Amino acid sequence: KNEVEQSPQNLTAQEGEFITINCSYSVGISALHWLQQHPGGGIVSLFMLSSGKKKHGRLIATINIQEKHSSLHITASHPRDSAVYICAVGEAGNMLTFGGGTRLMVKP
Amino acid sequence: GAVVSQHPSRVICKSGTSVKIECRSLDFQATTMFWYRQFPKQSLMLMATSNEGSKATYEQGVEKDKFLINHASLTLSTLTVTSAHPEDSSFYICSAVGGLETQYFGPGTRLLVL
Repeated sequence: KNEVEQSPQNLTAQEGEFITINCSYSVGISALHWLQQHPGGGIVSLFMLSSGKKKHGRLIATINIQEKHSSLHITASHPRDSAVYICAVGEAGNMLTFGGGTRLMVKP
Repeated sequence: GAVVSQHPSRVICKSGTSVKIECRSLDFQATTMFWYRQFPKQSLMLMATSNEGSKATYEQGVEKDKFLINHASLTLSTLTVTSAHPEDSSFYICSAVGGLETQYFGPGTRLLVL
């Protein structure tokens, strides 16, 4: 069974700061997801990664397959980025194992 | 982009009643859908894997007779919580596997059993 660890669990930042959230997993995978969950509970899939790096707007996700580690970066953070960010791993098209989530609050 | 809907988004019911939650892939076909559950301040946990045309596969500790899953078509899976109890109150989320084996998540259904 894959163990997925996220850090930090909670993060408070000032608007404009650069933010990094980390995810480590124990068993090799073919797909890693970064998800965003807002207070209402709905989940938005931000990225699905199998290698390298992806960028979408102010969000950047990287993965190091050898080290079993991924990071999610937010540049020029904004209060609307406040949410829970969840890392999930698994085989592509198969069930996912979720990390505990990182609760981010960005203050104006 | 691919869209997955869930209905209802929120439901309150009395203890002992059954509740059906629908998960639909709106613009793609999904032979596989997953049902997850999230208790307050906890991470999502897989409940079951739903495959079109066959029986669902349940995770250990999830009662198949209590959480009935029907994946009757390539765009619809339903989860029925039978004889719901307050401890079943949770946030239920489905995901559907689309092109390139990408998982698309539904918006979730918040169930409150009184």
